[in-house]
Amino acid sequence: EVQLVESGGGLVKPGESLRLSCAASGLTLNDAWMNWVRQAPGKGLEWVGRIKSQSYGGTIEYAAPVKDRFTISRDHSKNTLFLQMNSLKTEDTAVYYCLTADYGKYWGQGTLVTVSS
Amino acid sequence: DIHMTQSPSTLSASVGDRVTITCRATENINKWLAWYQQKPGKVPSLLIYDASNLGDGVPSRFSGSGSGTEFTLTISSLQTDDFATYYCHKYGGDFGQGTKVEIK
Repeated sequence: EVQLVESGGGLVKPGESLRLSCAASGLTLNDAWMNWVRQAPGKGLEWVGRIKSQSYGGTIEYAAPVKDRFTISRDHSKNTLFLQMNSLKTEDTAVYYCLTADYGKYWGQGTLVTVSS
Repeated sequence: DIHMTQSPSTLSASVGDRVTITCRATENINKWLAWYQQKPGKVPSLLIYDASNLGDGVPSRFSGSGSGTEFTLTISSLQTDDFATYYCHKYGGDFGQGTKVEIK
């Protein structure tokens, strides 16, 4: 059974950084394509970025609103996916989900990031 | 960038109704589209992948069709459990704005 467990959310001030983790079991992240998706309070789903499997070169793509501020990476030894978020803005406040790609057959439970002064 | 436009944003329907939601892409995306259902306070769940393939355990009253730039999600006979918000998603890109299916 595949399980994805996000962690690392919390309350930060504008301009600060935060790193989210997504620990996987039942799935080898190095062999998987993975998405990060977020959902602001009361709003719709927003794609954040995607990392392809190592066999596809590990190519990473980002949505325009987060490009140059967010970085997706993974640690093969820990089977964990990361989302490094820098220069956070109030509009980054959302629940952040990791999920399989291209389509989200498996989703984590989400972790809440609140950016507020 | 390819953008996804979903309609309607809200849909009022009764149990037993046939419901159709449309998603349009600004460019050809072949069949690289998924549909999700989300209930309040819950994690979204996969309904359809590759535009027309039913996800595991998804009831057969749900179906997806389309390719290229126009796609539809159809619920053949709406059930109480189906009142939720539905999203289309282009792989590796935009989600549609969502369609909230409400009780009429």
